[in-house]
Amino acid sequence: GEQVEQLPSILRVQEGSSASINCSYEDSASNYFPWYKQEPGENPKLIIDIRSNMERKQIQELIVLLDKKAKRFSLHITDTQPGDSAMYFCAASGEEGADRLTFGKGTQLIIQP
Amino acid sequence: EAAVTQSPRNKVTVTGGNVTLSCRQTNSHNYMYWYRQDTGHGLRLIHYSYGAGNLQIGDVPDGYKATRTTQEDFFLLLELASPSQTSLYFCASSRQTNTEVFFGKGTRLTVV
Repeated sequence: GEQVEQLPSILRVQEGSSASINCSYEDSASNYFPWYKQEPGENPKLIIDIRSNMERKQIQELIVLLDKKAKRFSLHITDTQPGDSAMYFCAASGEEGADRLTFGKGTQLIIQP
Repeated sequence: EAAVTQSPRNKVTVTGGNVTLSCRQTNSHNYMYWYRQDTGHGLRLIHYSYGAGNLQIGDVPDGYKATRTTQEDFFLLLELASPSQTSLYFCASSRQTNTEVFFGKGTRLTVV
């Protein structure tokens, strides 16, 4: 099955700066790459996703980049705010016909004042 | 927003005990999932289902059974609970594969 590596596991950034989280996957047939945010004590929620027919997608301060050749995708949060402090998970869909997502192990993002 | 309701929200049981975690979704989603979340391991898939009566094995199925009785209801069964099964369990649902997954609020299970 698909394997997803996510780095770093902990990320500390100054408020107002940018934060970047990187993920890599193994199965070149993966075509769907969502990102989930989990705030303390809450459930994970989808914040942005990208499909393999795109290289870049932006929703407000969130930017997702996909490099299919390198089998890497990344989340960039610009102008970070205290509310961005959370756990973030990337995921990949796996081979054509796969019926489940494979999640990375998560990144704890800490926004420092 | 899609609603996924888990019960109980917290549960303490003894080693060797029998536990059932319940999940109901009211959005007519085809797919339902059970995950466990542990520090350093992220979200790991235990079992999932794409319809009533269907069951698929996930990545960490040992020690767990599951049953999808209806389109709405998905249960996770621990028949001989062990301390290694102490975890935060999430139920989730999605309309299809490769679409948004909606998570419940979670059940914190402690096996003593």
